[in-house]
Amino acid sequence: DGGITQSPKYLFRKEGQNVTLSCEQNLNHDAMYWYRQDPGQGLRLIYYSQIVNDFQKGDIAEGYSVSREKKESFPLTVTSAQKNPTAFYLCASSSGGVGYNEQFFGPGTRLTVL
Amino acid sequence: DAKTTQPPSMDCAEGRAANLPCNHSTISGNEYVYWYRQIHSQGPQYIIHGLKNNETNEMASLIITEDRKSSTLILPHATLRDTAVYYCIVRVEASGTYKYIFGTGTRLKVLA
Repeated sequence: DGGITQSPKYLFRKEGQNVTLSCEQNLNHDAMYWYRQDPGQGLRLIYYSQIVNDFQKGDIAEGYSVSREKKESFPLTVTSAQKNPTAFYLCASSSGGVGYNEQFFGPGTRLTVL
Repeated sequence: DAKTTQPPSMDCAEGRAANLPCNHSTISGNEYVYWYRQIHSQGPQYIIHGLKNNETNEMASLIITEDRKSSTLILPHATLRDTAVYYCIVRVEASGTYKYIFGTGTRLKVLA
């Protein structure tokens, strides 16, 4: 089955620790995205990548880092510099081309920092 | 900053049409309008998108005003499974690809 997987679904960390969230897709999509969602709010873009070995900051990149070494994978690291890391994190991918370019979302990872 | 404005919540009777409005008065000429929905604690699901013309698919219809400053998503026969948060999104060009600008969405509750 084609799709996007995120693991784990729930993640708990102590304050001050870095944590890496996994995102894998087998849709052969060029573009990948990371979003953050807080309770009752819409999604906010953290980072996005159009192609392997290239990525750009989104609207709330401070305290986060990413890498794009493989087309299929776009891991997100939440660093200790992120002031309020507890949130629901969603990964998405798209074909990235012009015109129609639906984003496909993964099931999300709920991060709780204690 | 969000480019869309939606009512925070709406109710709809099961079997009736649900009409969800969205204002996007600052949309540019080449920016598409997308609609997604999110059931609690899941990833958003694509519904429909459009640029200028009205669009219809198996899930919904999208009506875009002639000036493109607003649109309406129509679920023709709402069911209890349509209860979700519905996001009206503007897709903007960014660094050779596209990114979505999400608003806060409309929480639709379908009533039995």
